[in-house]
Amino acid sequence: LAKTTQPISMDSYEGQEVNITCSHNNIATNDYITWYQQFPSQGPRFIIQGYKTKVTNEVASLFIPADRKSSTLSLPRVSLSDTAVYYCLVGDTARDSSYKLIFGSGTRLLVRP
Amino acid sequence: DGGITQSPKYLFRKEGQNVTLSCEQNLNHDAMYWYRQDPGQGLRLIYYSQIVNDFQKGDIAEGYSVSREKKESFPLTVTSAQKNPTAFYLCASSTRDSLDTQYFGPGTRLTVL
Repeated sequence: LAKTTQPISMDSYEGQEVNITCSHNNIATNDYITWYQQFPSQGPRFIIQGYKTKVTNEVASLFIPADRKSSTLSLPRVSLSDTAVYYCLVGDTARDSSYKLIFGSGTRLLVRP
Repeated sequence: DGGITQSPKYLFRKEGQNVTLSCEQNLNHDAMYWYRQDPGQGLRLIYYSQIVNDFQKGDIAEGYSVSREKKESFPLTVTSAQKNPTAFYLCASSTRDSLDTQYFGPGTRLTVL
């Protein structure tokens, strides 16, 4: 069972870069690493996904080392509106080949003025 | 506008009553999911369906039932057998080619009195 471990919470200030690291020691060869963002009382929103090295989009960057046992979500110059819970996920392929995402408790990011 | 909708946003029921939560998507996605979220916790998978007329149990299916008669609809029934049904319920959908990238609805907050 592919599981992830990430810090429970992080604090930052507006304008700073925030890096959230996630460990996934048992990641399978064909698993991608996906990050979601969730605001209170809303559904999670896809942020970024990667398999190896570095991925960047308009919102964030994702760094994945060669062994793929961890990944780091980087949020450049955060603002108050980035205060949310961030989930790191890898998939889980069951014996019947069905596939599902495993959500952990996530990292609560608080951005202060 | 393409998207996924859930109704109602808030739902109150008396203990012992069954209740059905609606989930509709017009994204033409084959796969649909139901998650439960308790305060301060991550999402837990209740049921998922990768094709019409077929669905599988997730990690916490006891006390819940689903149907998938149409591609765009995946209603969830919370039965009286669910011992602690008060929670935030989230529906999601994805393509079968990209199961990691799920689009979530706004959620339904169910309170059982």
